[in-house]
Amino acid sequence: RKEVEQDPGPFNVPEGATVAFNCTYSNSASQSFFWYRQDCRKEPKLLMSVYSSGNEDGRFTAQLNRASQYISLLIRDSKLSDSATYLCVVGLTFGNEKLTFGTGTRLTIIP
Amino acid sequence: DVKVTQSSRYLVKRTGEKVFLECVQDMDHENMFWYRQDPGLGLRLIYFSYDVKMKEKGDIPEGYSVSREKKERFSLILESASTNQTSMYLCASSSKRGNTDTQYFGPGTRLTVL
Repeated sequence: RKEVEQDPGPFNVPEGATVAFNCTYSNSASQSFFWYRQDCRKEPKLLMSVYSSGNEDGRFTAQLNRASQYISLLIRDSKLSDSATYLCVVGLTFGNEKLTFGTGTRLTIIP
Repeated sequence: DVKVTQSSRYLVKRTGEKVFLECVQDMDHENMFWYRQDPGLGLRLIYFSYDVKMKEKGDIPEGYSVSREKKERFSLILESASTNQTSMYLCASSSKRGNTDTQYFGPGTRLTVL
């Protein structure tokens, strides 16, 4: 079983729609959780950290369910510029050493 | 502003050549990482370093070595390049200070081994 699993997609979504991604992780001792965004032929960049209480940043909402070991990302009112690959990332400890990356979910927003 | 730079965006080498990939960060970060990214496999950790002259194997260290002589610089070495090392190589850095776990990535080096 992969340490971090994501649906690779692609998700083709009309502009303005709401889209949600899930990600599952295998190590119940994991402590830190993130969503990164990667544009085509670019490096990954942090989109948002995921906290136990859930957190929101504008149109983006991230949630963590420790009991079921999954993380979700919700994008509301999607824009063309949201087209990218979204990487689910999990760390075993705070202290910022090893992170494990999912293979990513590809999202295309259609005009 | 956060900056991680890599020595080359594109590199073409021949089988058996020794290859050096350089990464420099200007954020005084303690931790530095080398990943490779392949379609369908995602980012896989090759080596990382949490201090000068320190190194730890990641998930796929075979065929690679690293060097960290200065805090800002982390080098990846392919002693004898092989075609299965054709990939996108990404360097990242992060800080142990504060409570942020963010890794910052360089633009990547696309290596082709012929």
